[in-house]
Amino acid sequence: QSVLTQPPSVSAAPGQKVTISCSGSSSNIGNNYVSWYQQLPGTVPKLLIYKNNNRPSGIPDRFSGSKSGTSATLGITGLQTGDEADYYCGTWDSSLSAGVFGGGTKLTVL
Amino acid sequence: EVQLVESGGGLVQPGGSLRLSCAVSGFTFSSYNMNWVRQAPGKGLEWVSYISSSSGTIYYADSVKGRFTISRDNAKNSLYLQMNSLRDEDTAVYYCAREWAAPSNFDYWGQGTLVTVSS
Repeated sequence: QSVLTQPPSVSAAPGQKVTISCSGSSSNIGNNYVSWYQQLPGTVPKLLIYKNNNRPSGIPDRFSGSKSGTSATLGITGLQTGDEADYYCGTWDSSLSAGVFGGGTKLTVL
Repeated sequence: EVQLVESGGGLVQPGGSLRLSCAVSGFTFSSYNMNWVRQAPGKGLEWVSYISSSSGTIYYADSVKGRFTISRDNAKNSLYLQMNSLRDEDTAVYYCAREWAAPSNFDYWGQGTLVTVSS
């Protein structure tokens, strides 16, 4: 059971937009920055979003992040088949003194 | 170019020990906090442990507390994870990850090393 809650799967057609939610509590998302990672099949996780809504260099602006209260959302526009991957949210939990991740969301581009 | 290269994984019996290493290059290792993250086969990411740049602050996941020990040698640009009393549920790919910009934000990851605990 993950501390952060994500939907197991989402799907959308190429060119469409999808959002992935990440729900937590005041001890994690509510008072810490959220990160998002993309893990393509058979590869290492890659940082997509940091500090809630910032993209590292090289990440296209099709990817966006937002946070409100104890929830965060990853948005992906202009979906491509190459976006099919597992997506994870992560943050620090101040009560646990531990890093925490969501269980991951599998994105299917139909 | 930033590189993190893990080693030390392998097959070990329940109750056994392993020491993982992560050799880094391409950045000033002593300036960064480091973490270990693992991923069981077919499962999600699980944070394992954190060590500050000076080794002054260390944290562990409850699942490994008392069994695993994180350490680093800034002179050797290396991060370590000593794993004792290994259990079946410790079977996973173990990644070292650099923390940047915010707590538990990992901008660079190693390729991972597989630890299999089985009799």
